[in-house]
Amino acid sequence: GAGVSQSPSNKVTEKGKDVELRCDPISGHTALYWYRQRLGQGLEFLIYFQGNSAPDKSGLPSDRFSAERTGESVSTLTIQRTQQEDSAVYLCATKGGSNTGELFFGEGSRLTVL
Amino acid sequence: GESVGLHLPTLSVQEGDNSIINCAYSNSASDYFIWYKQESGKGPQFIIDIRSNMDKRQGQRVTVLLNKTVKHLSLQIAATQPGDSAVYFCAENSGGSNYKLTFGKGTLLTVNP
Repeated sequence: GAGVSQSPSNKVTEKGKDVELRCDPISGHTALYWYRQRLGQGLEFLIYFQGNSAPDKSGLPSDRFSAERTGESVSTLTIQRTQQEDSAVYLCATKGGSNTGELFFGEGSRLTVL
Repeated sequence: GESVGLHLPTLSVQEGDNSIINCAYSNSASDYFIWYKQESGKGPQFIIDIRSNMDKRQGQRVTVLLNKTVKHLSLQIAATQPGDSAVYFCAENSGGSNYKLTFGKGTLLTVNP
């Protein structure tokens, strides 16, 4: 499809396990963002990639969280040793070259840590 | 206004009425503001934006007002329709061209037929 695609759409895991979430961006979009959305809350910025520049990791809540992206391709967000407070929807968004803040969001990956 | 915990501010309107959703932003250095709409189970979708050198901007059935003096943003939806039912987020940008947006907690709009 033409939009941002995220997988899995739902993930249930046990506390202490590692999880990997995937984001397929819109082709040609150089900027990619990960946000976390807890139930009934707004979006918390996690990490930002722009082309081949060093990512802005300022929003990652702990060293259990990491993300990778090679060039303008797929990104993966990894959460190690998951905790119950990691339960949330993880949203990926990408942005094209326009000088606006229009981010194109995927439908998110809902993570539940038991 | 802002909420604490799991309780979003809510606005319930009748179909055909006008809706006004308010947002207080936090950073006086923010120079660009956006409204997003999030339907249940979906990612947020861009509605309208406004830069800090403006105080009003209109789109199709939507108007955004910006009051920098009191750091307040509002979204007006004309002739609200059931399809407008969603959570609405304001977002501010103080990160320059990175557009690393800071989102508010959101307002749940329910449109009654």
